[in-house]
Amino acid sequence: AQSVTQLGSHVSVSEGALVLLRCNYSSSVPPYLFWYVQYPNQGLQLLLKYTTGATLVKGINGFEAEFKKSETSFHLTKPSAHMSDAAEYFCAVSGLSGGSYIPTFGRGTSLIVHP
Amino acid sequence: KAGVTQTPRYLIKTRGQQVTLSCSPISGHRSVSWYQQTPGQGLQFLFEYFSETQRNKGNFPGRFSGRQFSNSRSEMNVSTLELGDSALYLCASSLGGEPYNEQFFGPGTRLTVL
Repeated sequence: AQSVTQLGSHVSVSEGALVLLRCNYSSSVPPYLFWYVQYPNQGLQLLLKYTTGATLVKGINGFEAEFKKSETSFHLTKPSAHMSDAAEYFCAVSGLSGGSYIPTFGRGTSLIVHP
Repeated sequence: KAGVTQTPRYLIKTRGQQVTLSCSPISGHRSVSWYQQTPGQGLQFLFEYFSETQRNKGNFPGRFSGRQFSNSRSEMNVSTLELGDSALYLCASSLGGEPYNEQFFGPGTRLTVL
């Protein structure tokens, strides 16, 4: 069984500052990892995903994440926060469950961006 | 390509009633999953349908049920509503079958039970 832990239910940064959202996973098989973003009153939207190959994954809106197997981590970063980045961010790991691949989501991290 | 659509977007019901929510996946997607999202529990998996068959199910009581039609459209039904069923219900579609297939989410149906 797989699981995801997102450290910090809320992260607050100033506009222009580095964004770092933490995600640690547990998986018995090589993981497939995802970051999704949810803006108010909307569904989730894929930011980026790691499947195999390059461990540094670039996504949309300037976000990237690095897969570190030794640390079982997949932290999300962005060099410079923008007000429009304020949203809920979810890390997910995909694993086989009951015959199909179902993503397990973390509890989410709310990113607050101050002007 | 049109995205995932969910209807209705908002719904208010009273305890004991039942409700049906609808989801139209992206064209070509055969997998449809349903999630319940609440502030306290986060995103919880309800069930997944693939080619009209329920392929996976989360830990929810039997009051929660679903189905998928031949055109991949899906409905979920909640009977005998309880106050705790108030939540955002999200539908997601994917190609299905591979662990790296991402899910495409609809905007959700916000259900309020009074």
